Amino acid sequence: EAQVTQNPRYLITVTGKKLTVTCSQNMNHEYMSWYRQDPGLGLRQIYYSMNVEVTDKGDVPEGYKVSRKEKRNFPLILESPSPNQTSLYFCASSSQGFGNSPLHFGNGTRLTVT
Amino acid sequence: GEDVEQSLFLSVREGDSSVINCTYTDSSSTYLYWYKQEPGAGLQLLTYIFSNMDMKQDQRLTVLLNKKDKHLSLRIADTQTGDSAIYFCALSGGYQKVTFGTGTKLQVIP
Repeated sequence: EAQVTQNPRYLITVTGKKLTVTCSQNMNHEYMSWYRQDPGLGLRQIYYSMNVEVTDKGDVPEGYKVSRKEKRNFPLILESPSPNQTSLYFCASSSQGFGNSPLHFGNGTRLTVT
Repeated sequence: GEDVEQSLFLSVREGDSSVINCTYTDSSSTYLYWYKQEPGAGLQLLTYIFSNMDMKQDQRLTVLLNKKDKHLSLRIADTQTGDSAIYFCALSGGYQKVTFGTGTKLQVIP
């Protein structure tokens, strides 16, 4: 089954404790992206990647890191989480670019930073 | 950058039609999408329209695009309780970018 898999689904952590949210897709998509969803703000892009070893900042990259060492994986790293990073996070992939073909989303990771 | 606005909430009775609206500022988008988000899940593509079209119909869904007024709408005919979800419009900005609206939560009353 074609899918984007994120882990974990729920995560509660404390300020400053490094964490990684994993994302994997099995559709051989070149384009992958991370979004955060906040009430009243819709989805905002954090980082995106157009291929292996090619990543770039989205609209709200501060406090986040990503890597793309393999085509299927695109982890999101929070080196020193803060409470303003409490949010619902989605990973997405696309076959022909984010605007030129539909996005396939994971089921989300709800992060709480205390 | 692109601003994409939606009303936050819509309530309709089961069997009625729902109309979810979206307004935007940048008219250069090639593709305009509607995504549906059910509780506890990611977004799923519902339908999309090319910018050179005015209307697209897909079973119970009708998408209308008014380029002059920069207005996109999604009509759901015979709305069912299973249609209760958050609906996002999204506009493409080339291969690198898609901008999402703020989302409209549709509540269907039995």
